[in-house]
Amino acid sequence: EVQLVESGGGLVQPGGSLRLSCAASGFTFSSYWMHWVRQAPGKGLVWVSHINTDGSSTNYADSVKGRFTISRDNAKNTLYLQMNSLRAEDTAVYYCVRGAGYNGYCFDFWGQATLVTVSS
Amino acid sequence: DIVMTQSPDSLAVSLGERATINCKSSQSVLSSSNNKNYLAWYQQKSGQPPKLLIYWASTRESGVPDRFSGSGSGTDFTLTISSLQAEDVAVYYCQQSYTTPTFGQGTKVEIK
Repeated sequence: EVQLVESGGGLVQPGGSLRLSCAASGFTFSSYWMHWVRQAPGKGLVWVSHINTDGSSTNYADSVKGRFTISRDNAKNTLYLQMNSLRAEDTAVYYCVRGAGYNGYCFDFWGQATLVTVSS
Repeated sequence: DIVMTQSPDSLAVSLGERATINCKSSQSVLSSSNNKNYLAWYQQKSGQPPKLLIYWASTRESGVPDRFSGSGSGTDFTLTISSLQAEDVAVYYCQQSYTTPTFGQGTKVEIK
């Protein structure tokens, strides 16, 4: 059974940093693109970042470019999101998401999310 | 970025009746190389993560009931729930995967 378990969320002051982790199991992690998608309270879904299978290629939404860094450790089956210079508008639940094998930008499994709150 | 626009924002349908949600993209998401539409539909129930329902605009994900169907091509797409069940109450999102992913704003489906 595919499982994606996020951790690392919490309350942080504006300008602060957080590192999210996503532990993957039930599939060959190193064979799939992985993504972070966020959802502000009561709002819709917004793609944040993607990383390819070996970590050599990454992409970011304009809203987080230069502040967030996605990475992965295939030996540990873990995806990361380093978030720096956090702003109030980054407040959201953050989902770890697997890209489908037939189309890496189609999201076939989602974690339960971790909540990030940016507030003073 | 490709902008995805859904309509309506919400709809209320009687149990057993048809629900139809529309999604329009600001540019075509049909690939000329493989003739596939890079359009997916997701269902998000309250307090849960989204669930993939449909990909390639009309292919049902494994385990998705056949009352859910997707249609359309190019820039105009539709998700149809042929006979609404109580468990279908949710917000539905379309998403294009032709370029860096973008989602529609969501359509809330309720029971009338």
